[in-house]
Amino acid sequence: GAVVSQHPSWVICKSGTSVKIECRSLDFQATTMFWYRQFPKQSLMLMATSNEGSKATYEQGVEKDKFLINHASLTLSTLTVTSAHPEDSSFYICSARMGTSGTYEQYFGPGTRLTVT
Amino acid sequence: AQTVTQSQPEMSVQEAETVTLSCTYDTSESDYYLFWYKQPPSRQMILVIRQEAYKQQNATENRFSVNFQKAAKSFSLKISDSQLGDAAMYFCAYRSADFGNEKLTFGTGTRLTIIP
Repeated sequence: GAVVSQHPSWVICKSGTSVKIECRSLDFQATTMFWYRQFPKQSLMLMATSNEGSKATYEQGVEKDKFLINHASLTLSTLTVTSAHPEDSSFYICSARMGTSGTYEQYFGPGTRLTVT
Repeated sequence: AQTVTQSQPEMSVQEAETVTLSCTYDTSESDYYLFWYKQPPSRQMILVIRQEAYKQQNATENRFSVNFQKAAKSFSLKISDSQLGDAAMYFCAYRSADFGNEKLTFGTGTRLTIIP
């Protein structure tokens, strides 16, 4: 149980275009999902926290107009990178929170590699 | 703000031997959770072990155990009987117990190599 999927696993897009990444919790409902960014050989940096039915909370320094997050249902959150540029190339990972008490777990998706040419 | 420090960018261990990965953190909170995650070449993050700060007993999961020193703000991971499949990046992470502050703060990671 507790499987999180991401689609696509790898995407190449041209500079100036937009790309959407989906994060789904397959066997549980996730009221909260998290989006992380990981540059090569670096750690995961939280970009935003996504709550179902409300606006996402972005971390300091993350452009909310560039990284649009929508959490329309209890099993799906999407990250749209708008007007992508080569510097947006990175590995994007989502996680979903399972449970509502303090002892909840976060389960991670397999990640999406974005390459902007 | 909380910070997590992993001072060992790389470690290596002979297969079947024991290795310890270090992690220190800084927080003003008294209740929190600490985690070790494994990221193999597939880049899928896998939870290895979790420690709740209010529990004095060190967590153990099969070959993996932690040494949690709350006063020293230290949280090391010991891997016993190392196996080739243990080769990966290992990240130490902190999470507040505050329900409204749920983000994970990661360290910079330690790359573990297993020598056959």
